[in-house]
Amino acid sequence: GAGVSQSPSNKVTEKGKDVELRCDPISGHTALYWYRQSLGQGLEFLIYFQGNSAPDKSGLPSDRFSAERTGGSVSTLTIQRTQQEDSAVYLCASSFPHGGSSYNEQFFGPGTRLTVL
Amino acid sequence: AQTVTQSQPEMSVQEAETVTLSCTYDTSENNYYLFWYKQPPSRQMILVIRQEAYKQQNATENRFSVNFQKAAKSFSLKISDSQLGDTAMYFCAATEYGNKLVFGAGTILRVKS
Repeated sequence: GAGVSQSPSNKVTEKGKDVELRCDPISGHTALYWYRQSLGQGLEFLIYFQGNSAPDKSGLPSDRFSAERTGGSVSTLTIQRTQQEDSAVYLCASSFPHGGSSYNEQFFGPGTRLTVL
Repeated sequence: AQTVTQSQPEMSVQEAETVTLSCTYDTSENNYYLFWYKQPPSRQMILVIRQEAYKQQNATENRFSVNFQKAAKSFSLKISDSQLGDTAMYFCAATEYGNKLVFGAGTILRVKS
């Protein structure tokens, strides 16, 4: 079956422009996550959606970052007025919903490499 | 807050030999999950192995095994019979509540022929 897909694969933009990054999760996965991977660093959690619950936005670094998930499926991460420090790989993951302290494996997409000039 | 530390930025190993990657973590919870992920140059994150904290037995997956020391908050990955295809960035990660993952900075592993 199809895995998590992300588009675009690469995005080059100029400082100050807005960008939208898209994530298509695995069908049936109601949990969706966005992570950021800066050069030479580990992944940093950004935001988490679980079904119809309010998203966990605790990892968003500034109010220039926002994300939405329409119809419980596709998600878009938007970065407004991009800065050079926003350059990174943005990874999306999806999973079946977790319950309590149980864990369901997160499946990752290939990421979008964002370069802000 | 949960933290994960990988103190080895780079490691190298000869093909067919064994290598161990280190990871320490900090958490205030009693139940949590630990993971090792592999990220080859393709950027695709691949789950290598996972360990539930309430299980004392160390997890194994073919050539991959972990040494989980709960009291010491240590979670190392051992790769036996290293293969060229094991060359990648390896991330240690943890989750306390079964949702967001906290990652270490990663270890670049190079397998040499």
